[in-house]
Amino acid sequence: NAGVTQTPKFQVLKTGQSMTLQCAQDMNHEYMSWYRQDPGMGLRLIHYSVGAGITDQGEVPNGYNVSRSTTEDFPLRLLSAAPSQTSVYFCASSYSAGGSYTFGSGTRLTVV
Amino acid sequence: ILNVEQSPQSLHVQEGDSTNFTCSFPSSNFYALHWYRWETAKSPEALFVMTLNGDEKKKGRISATLNTKEGYSYLYIKGSQPEDSATYLCAFVLNTGFQKLVFGTGTRLLVSP
Repeated sequence: NAGVTQTPKFQVLKTGQSMTLQCAQDMNHEYMSWYRQDPGMGLRLIHYSVGAGITDQGEVPNGYNVSRSTTEDFPLRLLSAAPSQTSVYFCASSYSAGGSYTFGSGTRLTVV
Repeated sequence: ILNVEQSPQSLHVQEGDSTNFTCSFPSSNFYALHWYRWETAKSPEALFVMTLNGDEKKKGRISATLNTKEGYSYLYIKGSQPEDSATYLCAFVLNTGFQKLVFGTGTRLLVSP
C-alpha cells in the first residue's frame, strides 16, 4: 500500500547509544518532515526536507541529524541518545509546500 | 518561535451535540492552514487544507472556516458522534523560506453516547 513507512515501531536505547529511525515514502513526495510528540506539547518539528539534498532545522533539532539522498528516504539519526529524547516520533510527507501531509505510524522510543 | 494556539484544550460533549474549536495563528506571512484528525493509537489524518481568506470547507458533518486577516480558523462538528472522539490538530504553513508545517497542541474531543 502506498504511504509512509516508519521502522522500527518500538525501540529501547541506553543513554549514549546512537541509532537511526527509518522513514520511506512511495508517493514521490518532495516534502518530508520529522516530528516528535510529547504529552502536552503537541507535534514539534525536528527537521524537514523540501527535496533530495535539501534539509533544514525545525523547532527542536538538537541531538538529531538528517540527510536526504533520495526522494523516497528521510532517515533521522540520534547521535548520542539522552532520556530527554524519549518520545514518539512521526515522519510525514507531502506533495507540495502547502499540501496535506501523510503520516507514518510512528516510532515509540524509550531512552533509559 | 511560531505560535499556533488551539482552544479549548479538551472538550467533553454528549452524542448529538454540535461543537466548535478555535485555531489562532500569526496573521502575517500566511501560506496555508491545515486541520488534522488524530485518533488514539493511530496517525494524524488530514481533514482540510485552507489557503484563501474566507475559505469554507466541509466533509460530512465537519466543516471549517478561515480568517487570515485576523489569524483564526474554526472547526465545527454538527451532531457529534462517539466516533468523532479524537484530537483535532491545526497546523500553520509559513510563507517564508521553506514552507514548514507548525502544529498547535490540539483539542481533545470526547463524545459520550
